[in-house]
Amino acid sequence: QQQVKQSPQSLIVQKGGISIINCAYENTAFDYFPWYQQFPGKGPALLIAIRPDVSEKKEGRFTISFNKSAKQFSLHIMDSQPGDSATYFCAARTGNTGKLIFGQGTTLQVKP
Amino acid sequence: KAGVTQTPRYLIKTRGQQVTLSCSPISGHRSVSWYQQTPGQGLQFLFEYFSETQRNKGNFPGRFSGRQFSNSRSEMNVSTLELGDSALYLCASSFIRGTTEAFFGQGTRLTVV
Repeated sequence: QQQVKQSPQSLIVQKGGISIINCAYENTAFDYFPWYQQFPGKGPALLIAIRPDVSEKKEGRFTISFNKSAKQFSLHIMDSQPGDSATYFCAARTGNTGKLIFGQGTTLQVKP
Repeated sequence: KAGVTQTPRYLIKTRGQQVTLSCSPISGHRSVSWYQQTPGQGLQFLFEYFSETQRNKGNFPGRFSGRQFSNSRSEMNVSTLELGDSALYLCASSFIRGTTEAFFGQGTRLTVV
């Protein structure tokens, strides 16, 4: 029940295309859902986050869509660029703890 | 504002030895969490510290321990190292636990030989 399932494991997108990464969870106590971007040799960097009281949050080219009833959320990267090539992790957390439960990660490659 | 600082960046240890890793959180942040990242298991929560007290612990053996000092800096210790402990160890800091964003350091790459 603590798991967060992420798909796909890897993704190849052409420059300018839309990258979509999906996550699903079971624990309805989760109330914070961040996405992290990680480049090789670096720590994960917070990209965007959402709470379940909103269905969508947009920051620049990055959008989180959240479906509370389906217990799913997704990251959309619009106008994908080669510089977006990285590993993306979704995560979930309950409000009274700092413990993040991570998905397995998606390796994104954006081809020029 | 400086980010999360982890030292050392790289470490090579021999099986059976022990190791101590250090994490300095972002100034003003009081909560520190530790994670282990491996290709097979992904990112796994180790433990969380707030106000010098361990608040949460992941599913790791007792060889993994940590502490937090009054200035919020944290250390984690792994005793009797095993080959399987080779991983990237990441520290994340947040202002207070549970309600604010967590920011990660660059990690310490531990190799056990």
